[in-house]
Amino acid sequence: QSVLTQPPSVSGAPGQRVTISCTGSSSNIGAGYDVHWYQQLPGTAPKLLISGSTNRPSGVPDRFSGSKSGTSASLAITGLQAEDEADYHCQSFDSSLNYVFGTGTKVTVL
Amino acid sequence: QVLLQESGPGLVKPSETLSLTCTVSGGSVSSYYWTWIRQSPGKGLEYLGYMYYRGSANDNPSLKSRVTISVDTSKNQFSLKMSSVTAADTAVYYCASSRRGLFAGMDVWGQGTTVTVSS
Repeated sequence: QSVLTQPPSVSGAPGQRVTISCTGSSSNIGAGYDVHWYQQLPGTAPKLLISGSTNRPSGVPDRFSGSKSGTSASLAITGLQAEDEADYHCQSFDSSLNYVFGTGTKVTVL
Repeated sequence: QVLLQESGPGLVKPSETLSLTCTVSGGSVSSYYWTWIRQSPGKGLEYLGYMYYRGSANDNPSLKSRVTISVDTSKNQFSLKMSSVTAADTAVYYCASSRRGLFAGMDVWGQGTTVTVSS
């Protein structure tokens, strides 16, 4: 049902850098729509982590960064910390202005 | 600080209509875009629909017009109705808001409410 594809899981040791990809198509990300990223800690609601593909809302640590190119986007976490263990979801729009979500990625800190 | 709180029945019978309300505090429902999202157990997020208080609305075409979203400015609430529910509609339902416009991210979320569809 999800339109955007993410890896099911990524893992890294504390202090390492991990990246999560979000692959769409010419009818969503490739059409120029921004990508937003959400962090969902266990048992909680999602929280906006990156907006407008690259922007961090106030209060989000600068170890989180986003990028976008063509039909894909990426979220990078540098200096991975234990509290970063969570599910991460990307979101964009399609040409009918429906929200489209990614399949979700579980980040595990080893 | 804008806060959102979902409310509604936690159990709905198959074929009936699911009705949820999101109460807005610390802000006005006569602003922003208001969205409903759900998450089935162990699954990703699924978009249900959104509405702007002045009437523009959109709902997920995969739900085959089962979704209706409305805004009640007198109560500072917005609501979700989903008809003809089945077990596949069992999920945690979230309300959310995009305060910086439709194409900005959803920066305020409710805590979510669990809805189970079962007889």
